[in-house]
Amino acid sequence: EDQVTQSPEALRLQEGESSSLNCSYTVSGLRGLFWYRQDPGKGPEFLFTLYSAGEEKEKERLKATLTKKESFLHITAPKPEDSATYLCAVVWNTGKLIFGQGTTLQVKP
Amino acid sequence: EPEVTQTPSHQVTQMGQEVILRCVPISNHLYFYWYRQILGQKVEFLVSFYNNEISEKSEIFDDQFSVERPDGSNFTLKIRSTKLEDSAMYFCASRTGGSNYGYTFGSGTRLTVV
Repeated sequence: EDQVTQSPEALRLQEGESSSLNCSYTVSGLRGLFWYRQDPGKGPEFLFTLYSAGEEKEKERLKATLTKKESFLHITAPKPEDSATYLCAVVWNTGKLIFGQGTTLQVKP
Repeated sequence: EPEVTQTPSHQVTQMGQEVILRCVPISNHLYFYWYRQILGQKVEFLVSFYNNEISEKSEIFDDQFSVERPDGSNFTLKIRSTKLEDSAMYFCASRTGGSNYGYTFGSGTRLTVV
């Protein structure tokens, strides 16, 4: 069964303390892996799309990487405004997204 | 930047009542979706819509659910007889199509069934 699993479920960091979020997937024929940010009561906000193993993308303090089995979202020197839930999703062959359960990040000043 | 717009942002309804959730996708997008997120759970796929018909639906999307694109701009999700377990955030999303899987999500409608 195709699955997307994110870890940890929750992460507390001090401002400036870098860390990584993990997304492991078991999907045959990956068509794309997405990272989204979700603030409470809001819809997912697009961060990155990765299509092939070895690909990396960066945006401000965030960097996403992809291997054949997992993706990492690296957060460098986070700030309190980076606090949110980060969602990973893979594109199924029909075009729908299969989401992980998310990692809730809290960055304390 | 183009947005997907959803209305209302919050709806409270009595169990057994019909509700219609509305979405205005991005104008040049071709694929339209509804997802839902029960509090504390994963975002789950409900239905996809392309070329004026359903292209895929999940097990959740039973006969109580229906979708329409009545006028070329709006995209609606109707729940005919709401149940307590339908309480969730409902997200509309759209994308251009082809090999471009870049979804844009709306801000969601919080449906509370009492």
